[in-house]
Formats: sequence, C-alpha cells, structure tokens
Amino acid sequence: DAKTTQPNSMESNEEEPVHLPCNHSTISGTDYIHWYRQLPSQGPEYVIHGLTSNVNNRMASLAIAEDRKSSTLILHRATLRDAAVYYCILSQGGNQFYFGTGTSLTVIP
Amino acid sequence: DTGVSQNPRHKITKRGQNVTFRCDPISEHNRLYWYRQTLGQGPEFLTYFQNEAQLEKSRLLSDRFSAERPKGSFSTLEIQRTEQGDSAMYLCASSSRLVTGELFFGEGSRLTVL
Repeated sequence: DAKTTQPNSMESNEEEPVHLPCNHSTISGTDYIHWYRQLPSQGPEYVIHGLTSNVNNRMASLAIAEDRKSSTLILHRATLRDAAVYYCILSQGGNQFYFGTGTSLTVIP
Repeated sequence: DTGVSQNPRHKITKRGQNVTFRCDPISEHNRLYWYRQTLGQGPEFLTYFQNEAQLEKSRLLSDRFSAERPKGSFSTLEIQRTEQGDSAMYLCASSSRLVTGELFFGEGSRLTVL
C-alpha cells in the first residue's frame, strides 16, 4: 500500500488558517495525492487532489513539495464545520485508494 | 437525489446469519468501491469494480465476504456466517474518472452482529 504519515490530531482557532501536513516519502512518479475529509457519522468527502503542482479549489489549497515526498492541505479560514478527520491518500494509478488513520482536526471557537 | 445510495442504513443480526448490503452508485459512474470502517480507524479498502468486472478482490477480509455488480450498475456486498468482528460501517463509493479518481461516498451501512 502507498504509505502516508499524518499527525493524529491538530487544533485550530476559528477563522484562522490551518496547515495539515502529510509525509509520503515512498511516493512513485505516477501517484496522485488526494485529500478527503470525514465528518462525524458521514462518509468521506473529496477535498482536493494534485500530482506535482500546487492546486486551489473552493474548499482548500494543496501545496506539494518539489520532491513530492510531502504535501500540505491548507484551509484558509477554519470554520466549525471544518472539524473532521482529514485523510491524505496516494492513489495507485487511480485505481485503489488506501486510507490511513488521518488527522482529527478540532476547531476552537 | 443523485448521490450514492446505500441500503439498509442499519442492520442488526445474530452471529452466523448472512447479510447483504446494496449500493447504488451515481448514474453512469463506471467504478464502484467497497470499504469497511471500524471505530477510530480510516476506511479499509475491500474491493472495486470497473463496470461489471471485479478488478481487485484480494483485500476482501475472508471467503465469507463476496461482492457482485452484475450489470455494471448497483452492487451488493454479502457477508456469510457473520461474526461479531464483522460489526462495522460498510461504505460504498463510486467514481467516473480513471486517473484522478474523485470518489463519491455513500453514507454507509452500519452492521451490528450480536
């Protein structure tokens, strides 16, 4: 399985930016980096993905290191609704997605 | 609603009984995935289909687990002779993009084995 390493938990104050790190030192050249999040009692939800270049969408930004061995999910202004478990995943050829234990984000009002 | 639909949402069964879960993916999504999730853990990949072909099933947890997608539309996951350790949330996801793979998950089917 493609391996990623994330901190178990992080905290952020509401309306402040959050940087969620992910290490994936064994990434291969064709692996995409995906981020999903899971709110309590719901299925995971797609957040963003990228290959080499930084990516932005309405939910977040993804910063990918030049050597691709790490990435950072950036939530620009955390809200209480962003409290969730965030998963960093490498897709093997876009076929299979293996989730780790993720980072549990707590947003403090 | 055009999202991924899973039924039943909750199932309580006695040990030794068979259970079947159904997943209706988003229309025209050709890929369908099954995951299992236990408390405090991330989703665990079980199997996936491209159209009706099951392309990976080595991750199914034992020979008591089987999945089908007979016409490339809905899929079923069956667990035979359930055990208490099978208690978990079973998640289904579908996707239409081969490489970038944005998965759309259903809300899951929660199994409790007594």
